[in-house]
Amino acid sequence: AQTVTQSQPEMSVQEAETVTLSCTYDTSESDYYLFWYKQPPSRQMILVIRQEAYKQQNATENRFSVNFQKAAKSFSLKISDSQLGDAAMYFCAPPWRANSKLTFGKGITLSVRP
Amino acid sequence: DTGVSQNPRHKITKRGQNVTFRCDPISEHNRLYWYRQTLGQGPEFLTYFQNEAQLEKSRLLSDRFSAERPKGSFSTLEIQRTEQGDSAMYLCASSLVRTDTQYFGPGTRLTVL
Repeated sequence: AQTVTQSQPEMSVQEAETVTLSCTYDTSESDYYLFWYKQPPSRQMILVIRQEAYKQQNATENRFSVNFQKAAKSFSLKISDSQLGDAAMYFCAPPWRANSKLTFGKGITLSVRP
Repeated sequence: DTGVSQNPRHKITKRGQNVTFRCDPISEHNRLYWYRQTLGQGPEFLTYFQNEAQLEKSRLLSDRFSAERPKGSFSTLEIQRTEQGDSAMYLCASSLVRTDTQYFGPGTRLTVL
């Protein structure tokens, strides 16, 4: 069975600083996708960034970037120049193969200190 | 594009009652997913459709749960004889097969008294 582990339940970062959220997973699939989603308090799930496992280049989306280590089955999210609006719960979610259901980790609650 | 919409946003019901939720996906998205999320946890998969065909159901989806997507557009999720353990946020997501990225709606929060 595929598993997703987000071992840091809570993290805190100073505004304008950089923070890295960790995610490890286990799968027997070779071709899959990985996503990070953000869920602000009482608001809907928003896609932050997507990574295709076959691509060696790490995905980047403005202040958000990933460090994807396929052999280590690690998929961390780096948030640069943290902003107050980044405060949310962040979920790592691999679907394991194309067009399949997402399997979410337990999430990391990120707080941003002004 | 308008996003995924879900109605109602909140539902309070008494134990034993039936409830139905609706999800309208992003236009032309052929995949539609239902997830359930309890407080402080990540969403758990319930079921998904490609067009009108229901392709997979989770073991979480007991016989009291049924989902439909009759014309391949909107979907409904019905829970019969609700129990207090059904209290959760029910999330809908949609995607295009060729892009594979799921976009979520705001969810329906169900409270069973």
